[in-house]
Amino acid sequence: QKEVEQNSGPLSVPEGAIASLNCTYSDRGSQSFFWYRQYSGKSPELIMSIYSNGDKEDGRFTAQLNKASQYVSLLIRDSQPSDSATYLCARGNSGGYQKVTFGTGTKLQVIP
Amino acid sequence: EAGVTQFPSHSVIEKGQTVTLRCDPISGHDNLYWYRRVMGKEIKFLLHFVKESKQDESGMPNNRFLAERTGGTYSTLKVQPAELEDSGVYFCASSQLITGEQFFGPGTRLTVL
Repeated sequence: QKEVEQNSGPLSVPEGAIASLNCTYSDRGSQSFFWYRQYSGKSPELIMSIYSNGDKEDGRFTAQLNKASQYVSLLIRDSQPSDSATYLCARGNSGGYQKVTFGTGTKLQVIP
Repeated sequence: EAGVTQFPSHSVIEKGQTVTLRCDPISGHDNLYWYRRVMGKEIKFLLHFVKESKQDESGMPNNRFLAERTGGTYSTLKVQPAELEDSGVYFCASSQLITGEQFFGPGTRLTVL
């Protein structure tokens, strides 16, 4: 079992719709979770971090964390073609260090 | 504020040669990380510096890889001798000591022929 699991996609949504990206993790001790966006050939860009159960909203992005279910999600409202990218789910190291474990990423395509 | 910078952006070398990658973290970030993504795989952790000290090098694949961070500023990652399976994109990231949020550099694409 991979430490961080994501569906590789592609996930296609029409412009203006809500894109829902999901991720599960295996280490129950994980405390910090991140969503990175990576455009093709570019570096990962941090878009959301979440540490507590529940929802965290930032603009059009909402991260959701459910530690009991070991589940993290990212919702993108009013999806735009510029949101088309690969979204990487990641978790921080439960040992308290900053080692980050990534999933393979979900490719999102927003269709105009 | 300048972001994380890496040099070179691309490197093509022959098997058996040596390559040195450089990373300059965001100013004031004590934590510096190296990651690697090989084709089709996820980004994987290589090692973590806190200032000039190696905090965790559990991800280093073998002793052909040597990372240094003299003076706690920039870092280098040397691969000697390079093998075909070392090809991939090497990312550097940095973070402030207290938070877990890491900011990535543009990466160095290494191709070993």
